[in-house]
Amino acid sequence: QVQLVQSGAEVRKPGASVKVSCKASGYTFTGYYMHWVRQAPGQGLEWMAWINPESGGTNYAQKFRGRVTMTRDTSISTAYMELSSLTSDDTAVYYCARRRLYCDTAICSDAFDIWGHGTMVTVSS
Amino acid sequence: DIQMTQSPSSLSASVGDTVTITCQASQDITNSLNWYQHKPGEAPKLLIYDASNLETGVPSRFSGSGSGTDFTFTISSLQPEDIATYYCQQYDNLFTFGPGTKVDIK
Repeated sequence: QVQLVQSGAEVRKPGASVKVSCKASGYTFTGYYMHWVRQAPGQGLEWMAWINPESGGTNYAQKFRGRVTMTRDTSISTAYMELSSLTSDDTAVYYCARRRLYCDTAICSDAFDIWGHGTMVTVSS
Repeated sequence: DIQMTQSPSSLSASVGDTVTITCQASQDITNSLNWYQHKPGEAPKLLIYDASNLETGVPSRFSGSGSGTDFTFTISSLQPEDIATYYCQQYDNLFTFGPGTKVDIK
């Protein structure tokens, strides 16, 4: 079945970096963009970025530009999110989510239809 | 940036009640709006896409309506398994989630 399996929980010190993986199965990895979304404790969902697995093209939320890097390895159907210069504010559950994009002439339908189970990243000294 | 607001921030209702959540965008987003359900410890789940289309496999008690800046999400007969936080999300210009509405059983 279609699923996204993420890497396990991580603990980092302030100033460090973290790299989270998201392995896709059950569909053609290069056929769908991948989003990354996070949820800090007690907070709502926050979109971070997407990557086009076919081309490697990316688009980042303004808040994360310069600090987040999205990459992928098509040979193993895996997307990666690396966040650097971590602070305690980056403590959150990080989710990958498949982008289902369909366009008919000028009208597009765009949704996050399959989600990973989340990866807890804790930043603490 | 497009900002999304939701109301109420939380609600408590009885099993079988009709529950309504509203979502407002800071500018016209036509029907570029989705609704998600998020239960603690689970992955979020897409319920409604393009403001009013029910995702495959989602029970018909869930529905959505609206266009432009004002949208509504309804659970027609609340069930115990519907306890969750519900988020609207716009995709007209990048992606923004609303702050969420926590739904509880009275």
